[in-house]
Amino acid sequence: RKEVEQDPGPFNVPEGATVAFNCTYSNSASQSFFWYRQDCRKEPKLLMSVYSSGNEDGRFTAQLNRASQYISLLIRDSKLSDSATYLCVVSPFSGYSTLTFGKGTMLLVSP
Amino acid sequence: DGGITQSPKYLFRKEGQNVTLSCEQNLNHDAMYWYRQDPGQGLRLIYYSQIVNDFQKGDIAEGYSVSREKKESFPLTVTSAQKNPTAFYLCASSTTGSTDTQYFGPGTRLTVL
Repeated sequence: RKEVEQDPGPFNVPEGATVAFNCTYSNSASQSFFWYRQDCRKEPKLLMSVYSSGNEDGRFTAQLNRASQYISLLIRDSKLSDSATYLCVVSPFSGYSTLTFGKGTMLLVSP
Repeated sequence: DGGITQSPKYLFRKEGQNVTLSCEQNLNHDAMYWYRQDPGQGLRLIYYSQIVNDFQKGDIAEGYSVSREKKESFPLTVTSAQKNPTAFYLCASSTTGSTDTQYFGPGTRLTVL
């Protein structure tokens, strides 16, 4: 089983739609979770950290389900500018551990 | 402005040549990282450094070398031993351990001719 798995997409949605992505991780000891956004041929940028209680930042909501070992990202009222690849990132906590990146889910928002 | 810079943005290399990619940060971060990204693939860790004068191999260190002589700088050398070096190389930094958020530079796109 791959460490971090994401549906590569693309997810094609119209402006204003609500879209959700899931990501599963294999290491049950994982402690830190993030969503990054990567535009075409650009560097990844942090979208949001994912907390156990779930968290919201404007139109974006992230949830963590430790029992089923997945995290989710919900985007409401999609904008054209949301078109990008969304990377699920997981880190086990073992002192100086390293991040594991999923391959990303591509979102295309159309007018 | 604080941030991470990488140079050059594009780099072309002939087979058999070593090339060095620059990464500089002025965020006062202790930890720095090098990743490689291939089309349709996730980021793979090459090397990382938690402190000056110390660094560890990541998942795909073969054919690469690094140094960390200054806190601000973490250059990556792609040697001729790296058999498939054409890729997008990303440098990142974070405050302490890598469970902290990592911030990325704009990347260097390396092509072997």
